[in-house]
Amino acid sequence: DGGITQSPKYLFRKEGQNVTLSCEQNLNHDAMYWYRQDPGQGLRLIYYSQIVNDFQKGDIAEGYSVSREKKESFPLTVTSAQKNPTAFYLCASSPGTGGVRSQYFGPGTRLTVL
Amino acid sequence: AQSVTQPDIHITVSEGASLELRCNYSYGATPYLFWYVQSPGQGLQLLLKYFSGDTLVQGIKGFEAEFKRSQSSFNLRKPSVHWSDAAEYFCAVGTPKALNFGKGTSLLVTP
Repeated sequence: DGGITQSPKYLFRKEGQNVTLSCEQNLNHDAMYWYRQDPGQGLRLIYYSQIVNDFQKGDIAEGYSVSREKKESFPLTVTSAQKNPTAFYLCASSPGTGGVRSQYFGPGTRLTVL
Repeated sequence: AQSVTQPDIHITVSEGASLELRCNYSYGATPYLFWYVQSPGQGLQLLLKYFSGDTLVQGIKGFEAEFKRSQSSFNLRKPSVHWSDAAEYFCAVGTPKALNFGKGTSLLVTP
């Protein structure tokens, strides 16, 4: 089955630790995205990547980092610099770039900082 | 900048009743508009999209939406709601980078 997988589903982190969220897609999509979702806030763009080895900051990139070494993978690292990392994180992909193509979402990772 | 507003945070409808969820957009040109649905603790599923052409768009699960340029709206409708439609609904507009999402409308369906 084609789709997007995110792991783990739940993640707990102590303050001061970095943590990496996995996102893999087998849709052969060029573009991938990371969004953060907080209650009542909708989705906010963290980072996006249009091609391998290239990525751009979104609206709330501070405290996060990404890499795009392979077309199918776009991991997100939440660093200790992110002041309020507890949230639901969603990865998405699309066959083209920008907002002219439909995005397809993974099931999400819920990160809780203890 | 392209943005969308969903005026209703929560909506409650009875099962079998009709549904309309509101979405207003802000964009000078013809926007690319989307509706997504999210069940609790899950990812988002695309219901329908509007790029151009016919202003009445049909989607999955019996949903439709109508693009009205004069009102800057893209409201989502369903003639008869089922209990399984209870979820969070997001309107989104395309930007050169990605999608800008509204804050969502939570739909509760009562028996």
